[in-house]
Amino acid sequence: EDQVTQSPEALRLQEGESSSLNCSYTVSGLRGLFWYRQDPGKGPEFLFTLYSAGEEKEKERLKATLTKKESFLHITAPKPEDSATYLCAVQAGGGGADGLTFGKGTHLIIQP
Amino acid sequence: KAGVTQTPRYLIKTRGQQVTLSCSPISGHRSVSWYQQTPGQGLQFLFEYFSETQRNKGNFPGRFSGRQFSNSRSEMNVSTLELGDSALYLCASSLAGTSGPNSYNEQFFGPGTRLTVL
Repeated sequence: EDQVTQSPEALRLQEGESSSLNCSYTVSGLRGLFWYRQDPGKGPEFLFTLYSAGEEKEKERLKATLTKKESFLHITAPKPEDSATYLCAVQAGGGGADGLTFGKGTHLIIQP
Repeated sequence: KAGVTQTPRYLIKTRGQQVTLSCSPISGHRSVSWYQQTPGQGLQFLFEYFSETQRNKGNFPGRFSGRQFSNSRSEMNVSTLELGDSALYLCASSLAGTSGPNSYNEQFFGPGTRLTVL
């Protein structure tokens, strides 16, 4: 059974204080690992997809990396508007698009 | 390009009733997936439709069903509602061909339908 574990569950940082969120996964044949951001009362917003170990992607203050067992979302010099729940999901290998298996998320608060 | 739209945004029902939720995918996307999000369980996969056929199904009871129309719009139905069905129901669309680049499987979510069962 595919499993995704995110840590920490919650993280409070000061504005400008860099940190990393962790996503550990167990999946039978990784097709893709996805990072989403979700604001309260809204649907998840797509951030990144990573397909193979060693891959890295960046967007503004966010950088996602992938190994064979885990992914990290690095947040550099965060701002209050980066406050949100960050969700990690995996998609197992197979034909076509299969359902995503999500972690419970990391609730990130950036204080001014 | 317009995003994924879901209607209605909010719904209140009582136990035993049934409900139908609607999702319009991004133009050109052929796959629609449905997810249930609750505080306790997080986001859980319900089912996925591609070209009007259910291609994948999560671990939910048969009270949860769906369908997809020829224009890729999708509906999900929940019959005999229970209190535990209260949740945010999310729809996601993707290109999701069986061939082509991996980016075809990137799923884009709608705003969700908040269902409250009393």
